[in-house]
Amino acid sequence: DGGITQSPKYLFRKEGQNVTLSCEQNLNHDAMYWYRQDPGQGLRLIYYSQIVNDFQKGDIAEGYSVSREKKESFPLTVTSAQKNPTAFYLCASSPTRQGAGGNTIYFGEGSWLTVV
Amino acid sequence: EDQVTQSPEALRLQEGESSSLNCSYTVSGLRGLFWYRQDPGKGPEFLFTLYSAGEEKEKERLKATLTKKESFLHITAPKPEDSATYLCAVQAQIRLTFGEGTQLTVNP
Repeated sequence: DGGITQSPKYLFRKEGQNVTLSCEQNLNHDAMYWYRQDPGQGLRLIYYSQIVNDFQKGDIAEGYSVSREKKESFPLTVTSAQKNPTAFYLCASSPTRQGAGGNTIYFGEGSWLTVV
Repeated sequence: EDQVTQSPEALRLQEGESSSLNCSYTVSGLRGLFWYRQDPGKGPEFLFTLYSAGEEKEKERLKATLTKKESFLHITAPKPEDSATYLCAVQAQIRLTFGEGTQLTVNP
């Protein structure tokens, strides 16, 4: 099946720990994204990448890090510097389309991160 | 800065009672306006992309329309399975900017 796979679905982090959320896509999309969603709120962009070995900060990048070593993979590390990491994390991808038309972004099923 | 405002925050309908959700936006150079449906604990599911004012798209009981300042998602004769949060987003560059969503509940 083609799609975006996020793992794990549920993750618990202790104070001071770094944790990594996995995101893999087999849609052959160039661009990948990480969004954070808090209860009752919209999605906020953490990081995005348009090509391998390149990525840009979004609106709330502090306390997070990413890598893009392969086209299919875009893991997100939530570091101990992120003081309020409990949230729902969504990975997404899109094709890169030239010209004026927008690029539809498709989402994975999400990962819940809870600080314990 | 791109901004998206959705209204109402929550909407409760009876089965068969048609209504509309609103998405107002300000963006410099709109490349596309997107509607998604999100069920609790799931990732958003893509519904529609609208590219220019006057454009309309339909899917089952849903119809999305676009003007230069806002988009509407019309729901005709909704069913309980249409209950979800509906998200609107705009794209000016590569990224999407989302509104906070409208939580729709359809009672049988």
